[in-house]
Amino acid sequence: DGGITQSPKYLFRKEGQNVTLSCEQNLNHDAMYWYRQDPGQGLRLIYYSQIVNDFQKGDIAEGYSVSREKKESFPLTVTSAQKNPTAFYLCASSHPGLSGTQYFGPGTRLLVL
Amino acid sequence: GENVEQHPSTLSVQEGDSAVIKCTYSDSASNYFPWYKQELGKRPQLIIDIRSNVGEKKDQRIAVTLNKTAKHFSLHITETQPEDSAVYFCAAWYNAGNMLTFGGGTRLMVKP
Repeated sequence: DGGITQSPKYLFRKEGQNVTLSCEQNLNHDAMYWYRQDPGQGLRLIYYSQIVNDFQKGDIAEGYSVSREKKESFPLTVTSAQKNPTAFYLCASSHPGLSGTQYFGPGTRLLVL
Repeated sequence: GENVEQHPSTLSVQEGDSAVIKCTYSDSASNYFPWYKQELGKRPQLIIDIRSNVGEKKDQRIAVTLNKTAKHFSLHITETQPEDSAVYFCAAWYNAGNMLTFGGGTRLMVKP
């Protein structure tokens, strides 16, 4: 998990603003994931990507968008359509083969001004 | 889709006692079951995992057991220490959806 980085650590969003969370990995993992964690709650899958230029919606994709132009990078955009974006956002990646072990980045905490 | 139930939601034990956390899953085709430990404000860290071709796996003070017939798996922590205090999440790999489904978490508190 030391090879996955997320930035920024904290992010503040104004109403109506789109913001982008960065996720980079140098583990040569094919699959990458974005999760949302609300206080005291579990992890919910937003989007995932198995290979470059391909991604799939998870359980709570509405109000979010992603891209996968490079193997190492999987940025998440929280759009203005996401009305309750305050949460802890975690990126993860896994070994080749989707049922491989997932390793998490340090997370980005998004707060609404 | 897959549904993972985790119990208990909170668990308090005395230092040195054992702790057991249980999870059930719904998809009999699930074949990979990791456990993560998450300290406050930190990322989840993988502590142990098990695949469906194995019934039990141990790593020092932690062990995981899997009962495929009953579709449940458990985390066992022996000789608990205060640093074991954290939130623990189980998960099951859902083949049809190509995703990990997480349980709701168990807050473990180890009292010195």
